[in-house]
Amino acid sequence: EDQVTQSPEALRLQEGESSSLNCSYTVSGLRGLFWYRQDPGKGPEFLFTLYSAGEEKEKERLKATLTKKESFLHITAPKPEDSATYLCAVWGRDDKIIFGKGTRLHILP
Amino acid sequence: DGGITQSPKYLFRKEGQNVTLSCEQNLNHDAMYWYRQDPGQGLRLIYYSQIVNDFQKGDIAEGYSVSREKKESFPLTVTSAQKNPTAFYLCASSIGLGTGELFFGEGSRLTVL
Repeated sequence: EDQVTQSPEALRLQEGESSSLNCSYTVSGLRGLFWYRQDPGKGPEFLFTLYSAGEEKEKERLKATLTKKESFLHITAPKPEDSATYLCAVWGRDDKIIFGKGTRLHILP
Repeated sequence: DGGITQSPKYLFRKEGQNVTLSCEQNLNHDAMYWYRQDPGQGLRLIYYSQIVNDFQKGDIAEGYSVSREKKESFPLTVTSAQKNPTAFYLCASSIGLGTGELFFGEGSRLTVL
């Protein structure tokens, strides 16, 4: 069964303290892996799509990487405005998109 | 600007009442989706539609109904048969089914009193 597990569930960092969020997955025939940012009471905002192991993508202080079993979202020198829930989703061979439960990130000023 | 518009943002309903959530998109996307989000859980797929006049059940379709009479619109009805309807509902679209990333609306929060 296709599955997505995100860790940690919640993470508190000081402003400027870099860290990584993990997304582990099992899926039949990965076609793509997505990262989204979700602010409280809002819809998820698309960040990245990764298609194959070894691929990396960057946007401002965020960098997403992909291996055959997991993806990392690296946050470099975060700011309070980076506080949000980050969602990972995998897109499999059957066209289903399966979401993880998310990591709640809180950056303290 | 292109995007997805959901309404209402907040909705209160008494037990036993049906309620319809609106979703409109002007992205010219063929595929549209409805998800439910509960605290501590991932997004769960309720219904999806690949083209006009066609839609398929997702993982948790019981107690819900949809229609797709226009490409731009994909309303969701939460019926009285849905046993636990209080949740945050998200509408999304993509260029086509199986073409990649989803784009989401701002969500509708339904509370059953």
